[in-house]
Amino acid sequence: NAGVTQTPKFQVLKTGQSMTLQCAQDMNHEYMSWYRQDPGMGLRLIHYSVGAGITDQGEVPNGYNVSRSTTEDFPLRLLSAAPSQTSVYFCASSYDHGLGKLFFGSGTQLSVL
Amino acid sequence: AQKVTQAQTEISVVEKEDVTLDCVYETRDTTYYLFWYKQPPSGELVFLIRRNSFDEQNEISGRYSWNFQKSTSSFNFTITASQVVDSAVYFCALVYSSASKIIFGSGTRLSIRP
Repeated sequence: NAGVTQTPKFQVLKTGQSMTLQCAQDMNHEYMSWYRQDPGMGLRLIHYSVGAGITDQGEVPNGYNVSRSTTEDFPLRLLSAAPSQTSVYFCASSYDHGLGKLFFGSGTQLSVL
Repeated sequence: AQKVTQAQTEISVVEKEDVTLDCVYETRDTTYYLFWYKQPPSGELVFLIRRNSFDEQNEISGRYSWNFQKSTSSFNFTITASQVVDSAVYFCALVYSSASKIIFGSGTRLSIRP
């Protein structure tokens, strides 16, 4: 009963490096999403997907790419990391086109130096 | 504009006190959903409640209760007889049905002192 699995838990990057945050869910949820959490700003939606092959931008999409080739996986790519992308990242999935409750991964603490 | 405001940044109370966390939302949609999530010091995010815009009944779950008032666009959360384990950051959130996007408030950090 894994739920939403998010890796890695911690990552340190240098400015300009690229990396992919992995997210997988085993609940057959159509809806998946990525958030970043910064102090005093709550969680902000980066990208979301309502099904395989369908993605859309959230509130803060710049600097991030996503794809959804399967129902289970929704990776988040940082193309050229910047210090402003230092944050805690959460992946989440949901039923009912995102109108249901969110099931969150455990988070990734990312530092960009 | 679609927006969620949690004006209380931090609240600190003594154990066993009652405490209310405020949430005010803005949306033009007539169909929407409101949520509360809890983030304890361990960092995970835990779902507490979902309420749709057509259901204004208040809800009680043990020591937790929620007051939804469309007239004031508020969805407040009350903890009765608070306990140290209630210490966490609490987020209110809004999803409007015309777009599958969730908007979170900035959160309220609740500290319960023994």
